[in-house]
Amino acid sequence: EPEVTQTPSHQVTQMGQEVILRCVPISNHLYFYWYRQILGQKVEFLVSFYNNEISEKSEIFDDQFSVERPDGSNFTLKIRSTKLEDSAMYFCASTVQGNQPQHFGDGTRLSIL
Amino acid sequence: GIQVEQSPPDLILQEGANSTLRCNFSDSVNNLQWFHQNPWGQLINLFYIPSGTKQNGRLSATTVATERYSLLYISSSQTTDSGVYFCAVVLYGNNRLAFGKGNQVVVIP
Repeated sequence: EPEVTQTPSHQVTQMGQEVILRCVPISNHLYFYWYRQILGQKVEFLVSFYNNEISEKSEIFDDQFSVERPDGSNFTLKIRSTKLEDSAMYFCASTVQGNQPQHFGDGTRLSIL
Repeated sequence: GIQVEQSPPDLILQEGANSTLRCNFSDSVNNLQWFHQNPWGQLINLFYIPSGTKQNGRLSATTVATERYSLLYISSSQTTDSGVYFCAVVLYGNNRLAFGKGNQVVVIP
């Protein structure tokens, strides 16, 4: 069964540095998402992406964050000038259509020191 | 925004016992999914169930969309069922998943 793949599985970064989290969505899917989960808390929506542009974003997704689909397969989340509170598990998801099930990757655990 | 409430927040089960987890949501939805988060943090998709009933092995789920709730049944629980179960919904008109706070389940041998 096709899967959403995320790299790296764990990223450790110094505060203030930039980090790029990478995702390869399922190949025939058209909608892409990033979510985050701070340790011990619920999963929160960050941003959705469709037709090469952001379709929706949450209040968490401020100017520090950006997303990109640089080629036909990758979907990236960039966090500029990381802060301690950016430490979390970041999940990528994709779906073929907006009201169909979203398929999640295994996540990238980001630790900011 | 939409409210998603899960109960009970914590549950301890003896291996072999059955249990029911509940998810209430505050508005009409066109997508509802149940996930199991394992100890490694992976979100495992259990059910896509905006309405009706589905079964997968020892797990089954029922969503009554008109009454805005969903139930996840675990039968003959095993220690591998331990983890956090999340309910997540998508409102009509958008496509973001809104998650509940989860049900922390511990199955003891």
